Amino acid sequence: DTGVSQNPRHKITKRGQNVTFRCDPISEHNRLYWYRQTLGQGPEFLTYFQNEAQLEKSRLLSDRFSAERPKGSFSTLEIQRTEQGDSAMYLCASSSLRGRLVGTGELFFGEGSRLTVL
Amino acid sequence: AQSVTQLDSHVSVSEGTPVLLRCNYSSSYSPSLFWYVQHPNKGLQLLLKYTSAATLVKGINGFEAEFKKSETSFHLTKPSAHMSDAAEYFCVVETGANNLFFGTGTRLTVIP
Repeated sequence: DTGVSQNPRHKITKRGQNVTFRCDPISEHNRLYWYRQTLGQGPEFLTYFQNEAQLEKSRLLSDRFSAERPKGSFSTLEIQRTEQGDSAMYLCASSSLRGRLVGTGELFFGEGSRLTVL
Repeated sequence: AQSVTQLDSHVSVSEGTPVLLRCNYSSSYSPSLFWYVQHPNKGLQLLLKYTSAATLVKGINGFEAEFKKSETSFHLTKPSAHMSDAAEYFCVVETGANNLFFGTGTRLTVIP
């Protein structure tokens, strides 16, 4: 399977614990995005990378959240000191914009990592 | 700022009848608009996209959407619903900040 892969698919944790999610994008894609989706809502943008550079962060991404893409390939999203309000589906997507300066193009999404904070 | 509003949170149709999922957009310039579909336990999948070429856009699985600037609409249609069309559909606009703004979604139920 050469699609976007996310791990773990499900994570249940206690309030105050740290969690980390991993995303492996489609190999030739230079852009990687993180979104959050809560029940009954559409996905909300969190942050995106172009290669290894984190180019934009949403106001939703509090200081407890950190994302990295150290070698421009896979990415991790860490949430420290989790709160019940962090319970959501965390979606990763990738795209290829070679030859384009702006725009997202088509995003290819993974199946998501569902976080439940007790 | 760019945004979209999906006018129905839930649409129910009988198999074989037409589907209409409504979306209005707000944009200060000519937007790029998309429809994505999310099946249970599956990743979001692009159905179709409008990028200021033809106003009638054809997508996968028989879906199409028409961009109407005068009505600021981008409604999704399909002539005949199939059971496999049951899913959550999202109208999406590309923001000027290189990311996507998703609507709140419309859940499509297809009755046999």
